[in-house]
Amino acid sequence: EVQLVESGGGLVQPGRSLKLSCAASGFTFSDYNMAWVRQAPKKGLEWVATISYDGSSTYYRDSVKGRFTISRDNAKSTLYLQMDSLRSEDTATYYCARLGILRVLDYWGQGVMVTVSS
Amino acid sequence: DIVMTQSPFSLAVSEGEMVTINCKSSQSLLSSGNQKNYLAWYQQKPGQSPKLLIYYASTRQSGVPDRFIGSGSGTDFTLTISDVQAEDLADYYCLQHYSYPPTFGAGTKLELK
Repeated sequence: EVQLVESGGGLVQPGRSLKLSCAASGFTFSDYNMAWVRQAPKKGLEWVATISYDGSSTYYRDSVKGRFTISRDNAKSTLYLQMDSLRSEDTATYYCARLGILRVLDYWGQGVMVTVSS
Repeated sequence: DIVMTQSPFSLAVSEGEMVTINCKSSQSLLSSGNQKNYLAWYQQKPGQSPKLLIYYASTRQSGVPDRFIGSGSGTDFTLTISDVQAEDLADYYCLQHYSYPPTFGAGTKLELK
C-alpha cells in the first residue's frame, strides 16, 4: 500500500524557515517524480514544486522560486521542502504527492499545516 | 500559465440525482503525440487529502465507482456523477498537467439539498 506521511509543520514567524519532510513507503520511491501541493485555509489547491525521480530536475511556482527548495533522499525514501523567507501567504496545508507513470498526481499524503504569523 | 475555469462553485443535490461539473482550460490539453487529454479530476472530502478519480479526462482510477464519468477533449471537460450518494459529498477539482505549472480549477462544493 502506497503511503506518504508528511511532518515538520508548525507555527513560524514571517521571514523565518521551516523544512517539511515526506516519508514514502509501499512503492519504489526512486522510480517516481514527486511534488508538493498546498491548500490555504478554506481555499483551493495550488501546485508548489516538483522534483524528478533522481533529483536532477526541479520545477517551482513563481511565487516560491528562490525561497523554497525541493529535494529528495532516495536512500531514505524521503521527500523534502525547505521553505525560507516565509510569508503570511505561505500559510497552508502542504501535501506531498506522487507523480504516477501517467504524469498525474496519483497518491497524496494526509498533509501538514504550516502557519506563518507573528 | 494555463487557466482552468471550473463551474459551478457549488451545487446542492439530493441523493439519487445526477450532477455535472465543468472545467474549461485556456489552452488545449490534448497531446498530439498520444492523443491524450492531460486533465484529471480529484475528490476531496472534509478533513481529507485529495483523491484521484479520473485521469486522461475519461479514465477512472482503479476502485472508483462507475457512477463517476469524465468526458471532454481539447479545452472543455465535464465530470458527471450519476446517482449521487451521501458519500459523494465533497469538493471536486480539475487539474491540467499538460504543461508547467500544473494548474487546478477553483473547485466545486457538492452539498446535500
